[in-house]
Amino acid sequence: GDSVTQMEGPVTLSEEAFLTINCTYTATGYPSLFWYVQYPGEGLQLLLKATKADDKGSNKGFEATYRKETTSFHLEKGSVQVSDSAVYFCALIFGGGSNYKLTFGKGTLLTVNP
Amino acid sequence: DGGITQSPKYLFRKEGQNVTLSCEQNLNHDAMYWYRQDPGQGLRLIYYSQIVNDFQKGDIAEGYSVSREKKESFPLTVTSAQKNPTAFYLCASSPHGRVNTEAFFGQGTRLTVV
Repeated sequence: GDSVTQMEGPVTLSEEAFLTINCTYTATGYPSLFWYVQYPGEGLQLLLKATKADDKGSNKGFEATYRKETTSFHLEKGSVQVSDSAVYFCALIFGGGSNYKLTFGKGTLLTVNP
Repeated sequence: DGGITQSPKYLFRKEGQNVTLSCEQNLNHDAMYWYRQDPGQGLRLIYYSQIVNDFQKGDIAEGYSVSREKKESFPLTVTSAQKNPTAFYLCASSPHGRVNTEAFFGQGTRLTVV
């Protein structure tokens, strides 16, 4: 079945460091891919998305490119801030009819120190 | 404003009691989901519904029940059969069958068994 694998955390960085969180997926077709962010005690918010191969999603300085050849959707940011500290989830949607559902990775906790 | 509302934010339950978590959406979405979140385990799908009066078990449905009598509502009952119910519960919704559209999440309910 469909699955998402993302790098295990926690990830701890200093402010202004470069961030990469790896995400790979397994799906029988061409899913849409998402990154969500969860701040402490809250629900999930969509950070960015890509719906077809080679699409690049971007938001708030974060970027991820849909790579079909490597089945990957790695999240990057050039210069992180303390306010980026949160849990990041990679996710996919695929299928139709009764098979249509969301699938999430396990999440990666990011802590940014001043 | 459109969105998903979960209530209550915090819920305490005595062992052996059933408890129902509320989830309401005004986004006119067909699909709704319930996830359970535990530290270090990411999001696990409990139940999902793609249309009124129909729902499917997710990966960890044992000890839970749902109903979908109205499009905007998808309550989750945590029964006494659930062995370890203390967790953070998240409800989400999305347009059914539209794989290029993200899911929207509520703010979550933290359930504690005392």
